[in-house]
Amino acid sequence: QSVLTQPPSVSAAPGQKVTISCSGSSSDIGDHYVSWYQQFPGTAPKLLIYDNNKRPSGIPDRFSGSKSGTSATLGITGLQTGDEADYYCGTWDTSLSEVFGTGTKVTVL
Amino acid sequence: VQLQESGPGLVKPSETLSLTCNVSGDSIRTYYWSWIRQPAGKTLDWLGRIYNSGSTNYNSALKSRVTMSVDTSKNQLSLKLSSVTAADTAVYYCAKLDCSRTSCYLSIWGQGTLVTVSS
Repeated sequence: QSVLTQPPSVSAAPGQKVTISCSGSSSDIGDHYVSWYQQFPGTAPKLLIYDNNKRPSGIPDRFSGSKSGTSATLGITGLQTGDEADYYCGTWDTSLSEVFGTGTKVTVL
Repeated sequence: VQLQESGPGLVKPSETLSLTCNVSGDSIRTYYWSWIRQPAGKTLDWLGRIYNSGSTNYNSALKSRVTMSVDTSKNQLSLKLSSVTAADTAVYYCAKLDCSRTSCYLSIWGQGTLVTVSS
């Protein structure tokens, strides 16, 4: 079962933009849609993006997702201190297993 | 829909870990469900999913040790993981799987329950 590759950390000043990459292969991201999850310390993950670029109700449009080939990207604009969290990408692979990214910690400087 | 995991917080090595996930707010029969775990400081590890038909998909690395089931009378999910070792120590989550026309995703998560494997 593969694990998707994300940068360990990204950071930016308040109001700025960060992007988080998620790299996979043709057997996972290349063939399936991508979701993104936000996790604050000590709490459960929360769905942020599904179907590559769709936001559930209640998620601000500061959060965006995209996918190209075997990689996906999460963007956060207008960065706020409340965005400091861990972010995980997720998708399925050819065996219909759910696979997750290594996780990225977002720090607001 | 709200999810709440429960079960022993401490399990001895070689024994079976048993957890339940209480589903409130809707019928468990309506949706698909997954179990995920997360060792401290590590990424998410998918354990498997159970469909409303009762069929299952399991993580191939755990397939021989994991069993998922649904109790519709109690609106509960059940997870059993046999022959546990210290490597099974983690926070265990149940999650609701929603499906659009194009994909399925984990839309609602329980708060998680910490299970420690130690003698």
